[in-house]
Amino acid sequence: GQQLNQSPQSMFIQEGEDVSMNCTSSSIFNTWLWYKQDPGEGPVLLIALYKAGELTSNGRLTAQFGITRKDSFLNISASIPSDVGIYFCAGGNSNYQLIWGAGTKLIIKP
Amino acid sequence: GAVVSQHPSWVICKSGTSVKIECRSLDFQATTMFWYRQFPKQSLMLMATSNEGSKATYEQGVEKDKFLINHASLTLSTLTVTSAHPEDSSFYICSAQGGLADYEQYFGPGTRLTVT
Repeated sequence: GQQLNQSPQSMFIQEGEDVSMNCTSSSIFNTWLWYKQDPGEGPVLLIALYKAGELTSNGRLTAQFGITRKDSFLNISASIPSDVGIYFCAGGNSNYQLIWGAGTKLIIKP
Repeated sequence: GAVVSQHPSWVICKSGTSVKIECRSLDFQATTMFWYRQFPKQSLMLMATSNEGSKATYEQGVEKDKFLINHASLTLSTLTVTSAHPEDSSFYICSAQGGLADYEQYFGPGTRLTVT
């Protein structure tokens, strides 16, 4: 079946640092979605990408749909404490199903 | 917009009993709803996909007689865990999709089920 490789698995960052995470696959996807999940909550949609090469921003977040349609990255600039959580990528296939990455856990160094 | 509620947020039940979890789309009509299960420190595991008025499609390995899904209206889907056992303890999350050609899923806050 289709699989996504999301990396890194976790990140320790200093407040104010920029963060980058990505998802890759051997499969082509029609869309890439990025979600954030706080502990004990459901995931919240951050950014949706629908076109290869598309670069979209949402505040301090920027995400890109890879030109090959097999990858996507998410950048967070000037991280703040509330950025802590788990970030998931999801690729949308031709059956309108979402294939999920394993998640990137963001931790702020004290 | 795109708000999904889930009830209850947590439940403790005894082994052998059944538990019903409700998922509602509050401000949009959800053509399709999804039920996920999430184990600690793991990603979302899709259990089943349900379309309003039709039978749910279960993922491989998910027992349809144990996890009963009903999608009675465009705003409500329910998941019933029948004859629950401790291994069914988990975080269950629903999501809703506005249209058949939509990819974006909007999630409920999740239900923490503990079976004693």
